[in-house]
Formats: sequence, C-alpha cells, structure tokens
Amino acid sequence: DAKTTQPNSMESNEEEPVHLPCNHSTISGTDYIHWYRQLPSQGPEYVIHGLTSNVNNRMASLAIAEDRKSSTLILHRATLRDAAVYYCILRKGGGADGLTFGKGTHLIIQP
Amino acid sequence: GAGVSQSPRYKVTKRGQDVALRCDPISGHVSLYWYRQALGQGPEFLTYFNYEAQQDKSGLPNDRFSAERPEGSISTLTIQRTEQRDSAMYRCASSPGEKLFFGSGTQLSVL
Repeated sequence: DAKTTQPNSMESNEEEPVHLPCNHSTISGTDYIHWYRQLPSQGPEYVIHGLTSNVNNRMASLAIAEDRKSSTLILHRATLRDAAVYYCILRKGGGADGLTFGKGTHLIIQP
Repeated sequence: GAGVSQSPRYKVTKRGQDVALRCDPISGHVSLYWYRQALGQGPEFLTYFNYEAQQDKSGLPNDRFSAERPEGSISTLTIQRTEQRDSAMYRCASSPGEKLFFGSGTQLSVL
C-alpha cells in the first residue's frame, strides 16, 4: 500500500469542527482512501472511505483534493467521545487485502 | 447483531508454552484478518483469509506463528514456544467487502 503522512496529534475544542489532514502523494489511480479511528481500549472502527469525490456519512465527511494527493477528514461538531487515534489508509479498490495502519493522529478534545 | 468475538479476552502464559487465540467472525463475512498491536502503536497486519484460504501470511513474524480457518468461519491463531516479545494485543477483524469490523482483542502476556 502507498504511504500516508498524518500529524502525530491535534487538539480541538468540544462542539467545534475538526479537520484532520492526510497526505498521500504517491497514491495510485486504484487506491481508495479509508479512515478508521480507535477509541481508548477498543478496536479500530471504520469511519469513511472514498475514491475521488467528497463523501459524507453520519459520522464524518471526507474531502479529497482534486489531484488526490491529500485528503481531510472532517468532524463537523466534535464531542468528547470523538477523542481517539484517527488512521488514514490507502487500499486497492476491489481488493480484500489487509489494511496497513500507520501511527495515525491522536485527536484530543478539550471540554 | 453479534460482532466479532475473540477469546480468551486475556491470556497469561509462560515463556515456551504454546497458545491458541480464537476469532469468531460476523456471520457471512468472507474475509478474516489477524493483527497485532503493541501499546501506543497502530495495528500491525499478520495474515488474512478469504473463506478458508489463507491469502497473505507475509505479516507473520516467524514460523512460530500460524493461522487457520478450516471451515471458512472461526479462525485460530497459534503461537508456538512463546517468547516475551510476543506479548501484545491480538486483534481479529472480519469483512464482507470494503469495511473491516474489529473484535475487542486478546491481550497476551508472556512471562
């Protein structure tokens, strides 16, 4: 899998939007951008994924740059329960191969 | 419905003993994955199956580690002659396609 780069940590205030960046300059045309998060003492949890167009679901939005070399996970209104490690992962489309997790971004939410 | 179930939740063993970790995936999920996670690190891919076929075992650290999924459902990860460096959280995930669903993991401690 192509490599992704994320900040080690970010801090935000409760009830404010959070923008988590991810760089993936070596992304290939068949790579999907996946985001997972891991709450303390739990297993990773799927958040969202996309290929080219921006995506929205009940948890978050995914904004993908036009050249696909970067993307941003957007939490529209952060709560204390959103404090977690967020992982940005590239995965070949249509494949069932394992995800390669990096170190992720540790998101801290201040009340 | 039931999620991915792993047992035991905790396993303490002595160095040199063999251990078997069990994963019961979500019913109907074709793919099953094993990961290992050290404290403060992202999950590390070990191996995965589609149905009963082991598709990729490149992440298994050495030949003391093996996994099977004989009937395409429950899987067992076996570690022979355990060593202290094998101590970690072992996580299983299953997937019907694009999203992975993780279990709560087995915390292995080798004394």
